[in-house]
Amino acid sequence: QSALTQPASVSGSPGQSITISCTGSSNDVGGYNYVSWYQQHPGKVPKLMIYDVTDRPSGVSNRFSGSKSGNTASLTISGLLAEDEADYYCSSYAGSSSSLVFGGGTKLTVL
Amino acid sequence: QVQLVQSGAEVKKPGASVTVSCKASGYTFTSYAMHWVRQAPGQRLEWMGWINTGNGNTKFSQKFQGRVTITRDTSATTAYMELTSLRFEDTAIYYCARGYRGNTGALDIWGQGAMVAVSP
Repeated sequence: QSALTQPASVSGSPGQSITISCTGSSNDVGGYNYVSWYQQHPGKVPKLMIYDVTDRPSGVSNRFSGSKSGNTASLTISGLLAEDEADYYCSSYAGSSSSLVFGGGTKLTVL
Repeated sequence: QVQLVQSGAEVKKPGASVTVSCKASGYTFTSYAMHWVRQAPGQRLEWMGWINTGNGNTKFSQKFQGRVTITRDTSATTAYMELTSLRFEDTAIYYCARGYRGNTGALDIWGQGAMVAVSP
């Protein structure tokens, strides 16, 4: 199972909105509504930010939102804050192999 | 509170095996799947496999098939991941993570990670 494709880096200024894409195939992202997004600060444990494409766990800011179109899922962060600077990973269920697959990760820089 | 506490750091020689444990507390252990994810230094997250803590069924990434075993002890509310025939490239932080949606992902609670270093 190949890794999902994410941009290596994105950046934005405080208050702006950014979107991170996550491209897979019909065997994973496109075939199931089981895309999750994780935030990982340097040296820290990953944190679930979005699951089932659009749902937010309790306690996660509503500045974080998810969507999907075809084989590409997206994470949008609005009203950027300095604390949002982190690595972001998408993951998807891959039904053909009953496995999970992660993306390569995207480093978000808040300018 | 809901938490996963993993065993400590390990240093192993190439060819050896390592077992990492993951003690769950604060929730019904058998109601949620347990996944294992690793992250080599400076690299991406990599899914290794998962266990249905209720019936013990497992599924592994093809990459680790034949080298990884995941088990659980329901009385101890602990999951275990054993990786055999260690190679230098297995040096990584190994995480256990609770599967909120079973085997479909949504890893909502993570252990603190266990560093495994493979060194001659």
